Amino acid sequence: GAGVSQSPSNKVTEKGKDVELRCDPISGHTALYWYRQSLGQGLEFLIYFQGNSAPDKSGLPSDRFSAERTGGSVSTLTIQRTQQEDSAVYLCASSASRYPGTSLYNEQFFGPGTRLTVL
Amino acid sequence: AQSVTQLDSQVPVFEEAPVELRCNYSSSVSVYLFWYVQYPNQGLQLLLKYLSGSTLVESINGFEAEFNKSQTSFHLRKPSVHISDTAEYFCAVSAPSNTGKLIFGQGTTLQVKP
Repeated sequence: GAGVSQSPSNKVTEKGKDVELRCDPISGHTALYWYRQSLGQGLEFLIYFQGNSAPDKSGLPSDRFSAERTGGSVSTLTIQRTQQEDSAVYLCASSASRYPGTSLYNEQFFGPGTRLTVL
Repeated sequence: AQSVTQLDSQVPVFEEAPVELRCNYSSSVSVYLFWYVQYPNQGLQLLLKYLSGSTLVESINGFEAEFNKSQTSFHLRKPSVHISDTAEYFCAVSAPSNTGKLIFGQGTTLQVKP
C-alpha cells in the first residue's frame, strides 16, 4: 500500500502567519509521530498520537505549536504566529499499534517531510 | 531520559575503503537502538535495529552495527563503501516501555569519494 504522505512538500510563509502541515499515515497504523529536523537542533521528537489522543506532547517547543488527529488517521500540525526559528523540515511517521508499558516494537515509517521556510 | 551522541558530524572516505560511524547513548533503562539513513532528497529509512539477542546486527546492503552495553555504544561499520552510500546517517534510541518515540543523534554525513 501507500506509504506516509505529507503535504505540502514545501511551505514558505511570512513571520507571524499561521501554517498547517498535514500527515496521512499508512492505513491501519494507529500510532503517529511528528518530528522536526533543523540545522541547529538535529532531529527532534515533537508529539505522539495513539489513535486520536496525544499521550506525549513533551517535544512541542512552545504553545504556538499544536496538533490534532481525527478519525484515527490524518493529523495536522499547526504553528501559530510563525517565527524564523520555526524554519525546518517537519517529518511525520506512523507505526502499528503502540501500547505503552509493553515491549512491543513496531517500526516507524517516515513520510518525505514538509520543508517550512519562515521569512 | 535518553540521549544520543554521534561523535563525527562528517566522515569523508574513499570508495572501497572501510568506514565506522560512531554512536554512543545514555539511558537509565534498557533501550532499543537504531540506525536510520537519509539519502539526498529522500526521506528517512530504517537501516538496522537492535532489539534484543545477538549484539551484532546487519543490514541488507552490507552495513553492520554492534551493541556494546558496557561502552553504551552502537557503532555502524561497513568494510567497503560505495559512492551510493553517500548519505546522512542517524543513530537513535527508544525506550521499550515508553511511547516508542525516537531520540536521535545529530547525524553523520558520510561522503564517499571516487
